[in-house]
Amino acid sequence: DQQVKQNSPSLSVQEGRISILNCDYTNSMFDYFLWYKKYPAEGPTFLISISSIKDKNEDGRFTVFLNKSAKHLSLHIVPSQPGDSAVYFCAASSNTGKLIFGQGTTLQVKP
Amino acid sequence: NAGVTQTPKFRVLKTGQSMTLLCAQDMNHEYMYWYRQDPGMGLRLIHYSVGEGTTAKGEVPDGYNVSRLKKQNFLLGLESAAPSQTSVYFCASSDTLTGAYEQYFGPGTRLTVT
Repeated sequence: DQQVKQNSPSLSVQEGRISILNCDYTNSMFDYFLWYKKYPAEGPTFLISISSIKDKNEDGRFTVFLNKSAKHLSLHIVPSQPGDSAVYFCAASSNTGKLIFGQGTTLQVKP
Repeated sequence: NAGVTQTPKFRVLKTGQSMTLLCAQDMNHEYMYWYRQDPGMGLRLIHYSVGEGTTAKGEVPDGYNVSRLKKQNFLLGLESAAPSQTSVYFCASSDTLTGAYEQYFGPGTRLTVT
């Protein structure tokens, strides 16, 4: 069973607008959630994380929101830039040292 | 500070051949991981290690073996390659200072098994 799901394989937005990437999870034991960004032919790089005791974490243009009751998190990028075009993975951790990754969402930011 | 490095970057194998992928990290991290990435499947954990001399199975361990003889190195072996093991392999490491287990990834190894 897929414990972490990203139901949108792709998203296209205009430069300067907001990008919203979504992620759903099923395991209520997850205590941290992370977002990674991946460019072609490179490894994923860490973007931002949030603890399950918080509902929002912000880092510059990137904000992650967590809705525990809905088991849903989202990544907001404002304003979106062409350099943000990449595959974004959400991941969850349950203090085991392992991360469970979603399938990824490909974001295209058009100039 | 190179972070996480992987060798080789590309490899083509014939069915039944064996090979070893090498991962090295210079961040003194305790935890290391091997993933495979396939289209539409995200990153799936093959094996991982929580310290020198330890290994554990992940989500998709069949057909792979690993060893962690030194803290900075984590080796992934394919004893008898199969076409189903065609994939991009990523190594990662993490510290345990935060509960998030933020992982740092290598650049990947693209493996094709014919």
